[in-house]
Amino acid sequence: GDSVTQMEGPVTLSEEAFLTINCTYTATGYPSLFWYVQYPGEGLQLLLKATKADDKGSNKGFEATYRKETTSFHLEKGSVQVSDSAVYFCALFDRGSTLGRLYFGRGTQLTVWP
Amino acid sequence: DTGVSQDPRHKITKRGQNVTFRCDPISEHNRLYWYRQTLGQGPEFLTYFQNEAQLEKSRLLSDRFSAERPKGSFSTLEIQRTEQGDSAMYLCASSSWVDTGELFFGEGSRLTVL
Repeated sequence: GDSVTQMEGPVTLSEEAFLTINCTYTATGYPSLFWYVQYPGEGLQLLLKATKADDKGSNKGFEATYRKETTSFHLEKGSVQVSDSAVYFCALFDRGSTLGRLYFGRGTQLTVWP
Repeated sequence: DTGVSQDPRHKITKRGQNVTFRCDPISEHNRLYWYRQTLGQGPEFLTYFQNEAQLEKSRLLSDRFSAERPKGSFSTLEIQRTEQGDSAMYLCASSSWVDTGELFFGEGSRLTVL
């Protein structure tokens, strides 16, 4: 079945540090991959996405590349800010399935200190 | 449009009581989803509507849970005879008719069962 495995947190970094949050997936069909972010007190919101192999999603300085050969979609940012403190969720949508659901990882809490 | 709204935001109830949550999706979206999120976990799919039709239900949705979307607009999620294990954040999301996996989430309804 479809599933997402995400790096466990929490992750604590100083401002301007480099961030990587690992995500790997298992899918039976043709997945699209997403990173969603949940800021304190807010609902989940889409951060970036990639729909096919080798696509790179990017937004707000974050990037992730869809790697079919390693079934990975790692999230990276070159220089984090305090405002990036949030919970990050990797997610998978199987476009080849008739089911209309997203599969989420467990989430990684990121805290950035000034 | 103000986005997806959920009500109530917080509900505290005693074990055995019934509770109902309401979700108002983005007005032009015809797909509506319910997810459940427990502490330290990612959102887990519960059920999915396309217009007023409930197209899929997770095995997590026991007989005590029922969801409706009578006119294809707002939706309700009712939990009967609540148990302490039902304590969680209940998330509603909506999306357009195009099946892309891009969901717009509300802020959630937190349920605490005493």
